[in-house]
Amino acid sequence: AQSVSQHNHHVILSEAASLELGCNYSYGGTVNLFWYVQYPGQHLQLLLKYFSGDPLVKGIKGFEAEFIKSKFSFNLRKPSVQWSDTAEYFCAVTMPNDYKLSFGAGTTVTVRA
Amino acid sequence: DTAVSQTPKYLVTQMGNDKSIKCEQNLGHDTMYWYKQDSKKFLKIMFSYNNKELIINETVPNRFSPKSPDKAHLNLHINSLELGDSAVYFCASRASTDTQYFGPGTRLTVL
Repeated sequence: AQSVSQHNHHVILSEAASLELGCNYSYGGTVNLFWYVQYPGQHLQLLLKYFSGDPLVKGIKGFEAEFIKSKFSFNLRKPSVQWSDTAEYFCAVTMPNDYKLSFGAGTTVTVRA
Repeated sequence: DTAVSQTPKYLVTQMGNDKSIKCEQNLGHDTMYWYKQDSKKFLKIMFSYNNKELIINETVPNRFSPKSPDKAHLNLHINSLELGDSAVYFCASRASTDTQYFGPGTRLTVL
C-alpha cells in the first residue's frame, strides 16, 4: 500500500502570505496525485490532480502543485492566501486504475485576517 | 443536483443501537466507498464496492456491514454501536479517471 506523508500538521499564516504544503509518497512507479480541501464542517472537494504531462498543475481557487518525480513529492502552493482558505488539506495518491486512494494525515491551515 | 448524497447528515444514538447510513450517487460511476474520519481528521477507508461487488474490505469490525443494492447506492449498517464509532462517515464515488467525489458526510455521535 501507498504511504503518504504530509509534513506540516498545522500551518498558521496571515492573509496575503504565501502557502506551501509538503506531500511525499512512497511508491516508485507511476502514480496519480490529488489534493483535496475540506472547509470547516464540509466534505472533501478536489482542488487539483496530476496524472501525466506538465508537472506544474493548476487547480481551483488559485492553487497549484508541482510534481517532482525524483523527490516523490507533490507540494501544494498558493502565492497569496485569503481568510477563506482556512481549511484542512489532504494529499492523496493512487496507482493508475487502482481502486484504493491513500490519504495523508492532512494539514490544518489557519489564515488570520 | 447533488452528485453524491448521504442521509442522514447527523445521527445521534445510544450505545448498543443499530443504525444505517445511506448513500446515493448520480454520476454513473461503478465504484463507491465508505470512509471514516476521526476527531483528528484522519481519513480511513472502510469498504469499496464495484458494480455491487465488494472489492475493498479493510480491517473493520464485523458490526459494520455495507450493502449495495445497485451501483448507484451504497449503504452502511452498523450493529451494536460503540462510543468509538463516533466519527464522520463519508461516502465517495470513483470516476474512471481515478478521481473520487465525496458526499457531505454523516456525523455519528454515540452516547
